[in-house]
Amino acid sequence: GDSVTQMEGPVTLSEEAFLTINCTYTATGYPSLFWYVQYPGEGLQLLLKATKADDKGSNKGFEATYRKETTSFHLEKGSVQVSDSAVYFCALSDVNTNAGKSTFGDGTTLTVKP
Amino acid sequence: DTEVTQTPKHLVMGMTNKKSLKCEQHMGHRAMYWYKQKAKKPPELMFVYSYEKLSINESVPSRFSPECPNSSLLNLHLHALQPEDSALYLCASSQGLAGGQEQYFGPGTRLTVT
Repeated sequence: GDSVTQMEGPVTLSEEAFLTINCTYTATGYPSLFWYVQYPGEGLQLLLKATKADDKGSNKGFEATYRKETTSFHLEKGSVQVSDSAVYFCALSDVNTNAGKSTFGDGTTLTVKP
Repeated sequence: DTEVTQTPKHLVMGMTNKKSLKCEQHMGHRAMYWYKQKAKKPPELMFVYSYEKLSINESVPSRFSPECPNSSLLNLHLHALQPEDSALYLCASSQGLAGGQEQYFGPGTRLTVT
């Protein structure tokens, strides 16, 4: 079945540092890939997505590129802020299924210190 | 309007109580979901509705009873819960059930069972 593996956290960075959160996936079909962010006390928000190989999703300074050859979708940001402190979930949804199911990684907690 | 709303925000209930969680979206989405999320974990799918019909029940105990009165509303009726059911309950919606679509999440209801 489908699966998503994220780098283990927690990740602690200083403000303005470079961020990478690794995400690799296993899928039997042709997945769309997503990064969701969950701020403390809130629900998940879609951060960015990519629907096919070599697509780059970007939003709020975050980027991730769909790499089919390495089955990866790593999240990057050039300069993090304290307000980026949150839990980040990598997820996939297989375009060949009609079940509406998404597969989530375990989440990576990011803390940014001033 | 890309918002999913949930009420109440917090709920404390005893093991013999009956309560309901409510979710609403006005994006014209035809698929709606209930998830359960424990601390530091990804969301776990409970139920999926498509066009107001139950499409998926992930073997959820019968003390949780979903209801979809119309395409904009989703309820989760709770009865005789156990302390281990304490969690954040998230509602989500998507345009449909076709794979590859992102989901829009509400802020969640923080449930405590005493």
